[in-house]
Amino acid sequence: EAQVTQNPRYLITVTGKKLTVTCSQNMNHEYMSWYRQDPGLGLRQIYYSMNVEVTDKGDVPEGYKVSRKEKRNFPLILESPSPNQTSLYFCASSLSIGVVAGEQYFGPGTRLTVT
Amino acid sequence: EDQVTQSPEALRLQEGESSSLNCSYTVSGLRGLFWYRQDPGKGPEFLFTLYSAGEEKEKERLKATLTKKESFLHITAPKPEDSATYLCAVQAKGRRALTFGSGTRLQVQP
Repeated sequence: EAQVTQNPRYLITVTGKKLTVTCSQNMNHEYMSWYRQDPGLGLRQIYYSMNVEVTDKGDVPEGYKVSRKEKRNFPLILESPSPNQTSLYFCASSLSIGVVAGEQYFGPGTRLTVT
Repeated sequence: EDQVTQSPEALRLQEGESSSLNCSYTVSGLRGLFWYRQDPGKGPEFLFTLYSAGEEKEKERLKATLTKKESFLHITAPKPEDSATYLCAVQAKGRRALTFGSGTRLQVQP
């Protein structure tokens, strides 16, 4: 089954404790992306990756890191989480067609709470 | 700065009552406009991509249209299972990031 998986699905942590949210896709997609979703603000792109070792900032990259060492995996790293990073996070992937992001497949989401 | 505004924020329809959702956008050259559906507690699910003004796409009871300033998602004779939040997103030329609107929360009552 074609899918994007994220782990963990729920996470409660404390300010400053480093964490990683994993994302994996089994569709051999080139393009992967991370979003956060907040009430009233919609989905905002954090980082995206066009292919292995190629990453770029989205609209809200501050406080986040990513890496793309393998095509299927795109982890999101919060080196020193703060309460304003409490949010619902989605990973997505797509088969990039030229420079068009194309049809994106989203993971189930990770609800993060930072106290 | 790319902007996407969706209206209304929420819409309640009776089963069979057709309506339209609006997505107004401001971009410096449109690469593509996307519609997604999101059910509570789940990730968005892709519906349509539109590339140029005048283009239309259809899927079951949904039809998406595009002009130079806005897109409409027309829902014909909706059913309760069409209840969801509908999201619009744009990709500007020269950019590889997407900008999403806040969504329209649709409720269809039997």
